[in-house]
Amino acid sequence: NAGVTQTPKFRILKIGQSMTLQCTQDMNHNYMYWYRQDPGMGLKLIYYSVGAGITDKGEVPNGYNVSRSTTEDFPLRLELAAPSQTSVYFCASSYAGAEQFFGPGTRLTVL
Amino acid sequence: DAKTTQPPSMDCAEGRAANLPCNHSTISGNEYVYWYRQIHSQGPQYIIHGLKNNETNEMASLIITEDRKSSTLILPHATLRDTAVYYCIVRVAGRSGGSNYKLTFGKGTLLTVNP
Repeated sequence: NAGVTQTPKFRILKIGQSMTLQCTQDMNHNYMYWYRQDPGMGLKLIYYSVGAGITDKGEVPNGYNVSRSTTEDFPLRLELAAPSQTSVYFCASSYAGAEQFFGPGTRLTVL
Repeated sequence: DAKTTQPPSMDCAEGRAANLPCNHSTISGNEYVYWYRQIHSQGPQYIIHGLKNNETNEMASLIITEDRKSSTLILPHATLRDTAVYYCIVRVAGRSGGSNYKLTFGKGTLLTVNP
């Protein structure tokens, strides 16, 4: 199993550009999550999903959108990138709320 | 979820036991204690969790006090690769909905294992 994979690893965006961060898991987990981590801080939940077709907001959803059309994929969309969205983004998945498995992260810089 | 308090940093000599404390004095009866760690530039990694009994797995041991207001994560023989930020998280475990599964990360404890 590859576990949780994320692409791209790094990205630089200009203000106002848009992009999609990809996340895929091959563990057949129902629950998936997007977190962001600012320098020196802990992780903050952006969005989560409890299954295909079901998503909900976390602590810091503004400026982001998600979709969950399949069990495996949970992409995160940034429509109008802002410098405040410069961060490291982690995707995670879990089966039933126990341990979460995290991807390697996407490092995003908005200039 | 109950708030946790951890020291910002700790040092440990390679080969010795690393004991990482966590206070969670407002923990509720149905809340578990989880430990994760994050090695520099990587995603967090689950270590162990427990409710009230001490737990041990291949990575670590978790000691929870009888009143459940604090706990200690023990790495029995720390190696250089154990240098990481360790997060103590308290949350409900169960099937009551996705929002209950979110992890609330504080700043954690930076454990530095020295040769």
